[in-house]
Amino acid sequence: KQEVTQIPAALSVPEGENLVLNCSFTDSAIYNLQWFRQDPGKGLTSLLLIQSSQREQTSGRLNASLDKSSGRSTLYIAASQPGDSATYLCAVRVAGGYNKLIFGAGTRLAVHP
Amino acid sequence: EAGVVQSPRYKIIEKKQPVAFWCNPISGHNTLYWYLQNLGQGPELLIRYENEEAVDDSQLPKDRFSAERLKGVDSTLKIQPAELGDSAVYLCASSAAGTPSDTQYFGPGTRLTVL
Repeated sequence: KQEVTQIPAALSVPEGENLVLNCSFTDSAIYNLQWFRQDPGKGLTSLLLIQSSQREQTSGRLNASLDKSSGRSTLYIAASQPGDSATYLCAVRVAGGYNKLIFGAGTRLAVHP
Repeated sequence: EAGVVQSPRYKIIEKKQPVAFWCNPISGHNTLYWYLQNLGQGPELLIRYENEEAVDDSQLPKDRFSAERLKGVDSTLKIQPAELGDSAVYLCASSAAGTPSDTQYFGPGTRLTVL
């Protein structure tokens, strides 16, 4: 059974810091891995999607890497801003299950001025 | 383009009462998902529809939960009777058919509180 774990559970940092959020999964048989952002009272917004054959994806100040063999992904946020405060969720799409996503519990990030 | 619409946004009920949640997916999206998100946890899939057919309902507690997607467009998720442990956020998502990497788009969710 696929399990996804995110560390740390919560993070509070001053503005401007570079951050690393970690995600690990137990079964390397995945199609892809996604990072989502969730703001309080709102749904999830997809940030980055990495296919199983890829090593990383970048969007603006965000960079996500994937090491499928070791079951790990990291989300790197450069020069953090207060607007980055949200919960970041990692999800893997399991092989053999059409578009079935298994989510981690998330990392709750607070960036203070 | 309108996103996934859910209503109500918040619902407070007494235990043993019935409750229903409604979802309208993005126009043209044939796949619809209902997720349950407990406080401090990631979403967990309850049921997935391809058009009007439920193709994955293995995680849906069928003794008290039911869902329908008539005409393959909007969908309703019902709980009857509700229990205290059902307090959570119920998320709806939709995606377009096609490539394996088709993205799921999520609605804002319905926050249910059972007293």
